[in-house]
Amino acid sequence: QSALTQPRSVSGSPGQSVTISCTGTSSDVGGYNYVSWYQQHPGQAPKLMIYDVNKRPSGVPDRFSGSKSGNTASLAISGLQAEDEADYYCCSYAGSYSYVFGTGTTVTVL
Amino acid sequence: EVQMLESGGGLVQPGGSLRLSCAASGFTFSNYVVSWVRQAPGKGLEWVSSISSRGDSTYYADSVKGRFSISRDNSKNTLYLQMNSLRTEDTAVYYCAVLHGSAGYWGQGTLVTVSS
Repeated sequence: QSALTQPRSVSGSPGQSVTISCTGTSSDVGGYNYVSWYQQHPGQAPKLMIYDVNKRPSGVPDRFSGSKSGNTASLAISGLQAEDEADYYCCSYAGSYSYVFGTGTTVTVL
Repeated sequence: EVQMLESGGGLVQPGGSLRLSCAASGFTFSNYVVSWVRQAPGKGLEWVSSISSRGDSTYYADSVKGRFSISRDNSKNTLYLQMNSLRTEDTAVYYCAVLHGSAGYWGQGTLVTVSS
């Protein structure tokens, strides 16, 4: 049950694109197509941005997209906006109703 | 409107016990696997425990196994977390959440502080 590995921080200017990686193992990220991504602003509960690797819940802008290759999932944010500045966490199903979260990435809009 | 409202947090001494509740509304609670997730101050998210939709299967992170117990009452749309033998490292905001699929339901969290 080790946390998934994410970069500590990424940054970009408004309008640019950033990508956050999330590396696990064949027992979690690589074993299931159940990777989700959460956005968390300070003092708030996490908000679902991507589920099942690459699906967006209703209301989430299409600037957010997800993908997966092997044991690594990725979240891409295009057309970066000021309100995208937040912490982002990946989460993978790990079998038997267990889950594992990533270490978290702080996105800074320069 | 979907709501998940946690309660029961507070200050407890090491070795003590606490019972958290999560009242759900606005969706068919009994259809979902629900989980507890915690976040220590200034730290990341950590999955704690999950329970099947009917409540007949439970799962725990190694860090809480044997000390925490998850349960649910579908007639009351309520999720519970019984926490025993609490340690200082259990200090965190505890969230109830639906982690699978497109639901993305989360509560606002309840703070548990374990300190002497």
